[in-house]
Amino acid sequence: DTAVSQTPKYLVTQMGNDKSIKCEQNLGHDTMYWYKQDSKKFLKIMFSYNNKELIINETVPNRFSPKSPDKAHLNLHINSLELGDSAVYFCASSQGISNQPQHFGDGTRLSIL
Amino acid sequence: GENVEQHPSTLSVQEGDSAVIKCTYSDSASNYFPWYKQELGKRPQLIIDIRSNVGEKKDQRIAVTLNKTAKHFSLHITETQPEDSAVYFCAASSNTGNQFYFGTGTSLTVIP
Repeated sequence: DTAVSQTPKYLVTQMGNDKSIKCEQNLGHDTMYWYKQDSKKFLKIMFSYNNKELIINETVPNRFSPKSPDKAHLNLHINSLELGDSAVYFCASSQGISNQPQHFGDGTRLSIL
Repeated sequence: GENVEQHPSTLSVQEGDSAVIKCTYSDSASNYFPWYKQELGKRPQLIIDIRSNVGEKKDQRIAVTLNKTAKHFSLHITETQPEDSAVYFCAASSNTGNQFYFGTGTSLTVIP
């Protein structure tokens, strides 16, 4: 069983479009995260939710809107996609806000044409 | 906030040699230090972690050391194998914080 699953795995779309990435975890964790990994491989935190409440919102354009319908799901919607949004987006989860291992999904490779 | 620096950014070793990756952190409140391995095209995976109440932890060919006074921690891989080739990330977090602070990654290549 995949512990943290993201869909889709690949996303190729035109500039200006709106797209969503979904994430689900079956580990029973209460905290979920979105990371952006660019071509230089830096892992940059974007958002974090604990028990469906937003606890981290880094300097991310408001075109990015996360939504957590329940503890097991954290989705990411992106409006008006730009070339600079091309990256791999990783979802992760952990038990607790800090000091516990984070488990990553397989990533969603977003390519903007 | 916390600042984690990681060195070197790239590292090449001959198969069988040891590899060492070093990280420094700035926040003395940080007390949890995980290491992640990311193979090409794959997700980051936790390989070992250490908490501030211990100075060293080993798991087969992998070990992590922590120096709280100097605020640095290191990953040691012995008897390296080609399958150890990957990008390695260190991270730091604290009880009072709400996130991991990741290093910038080290691309390790093990030459057969």
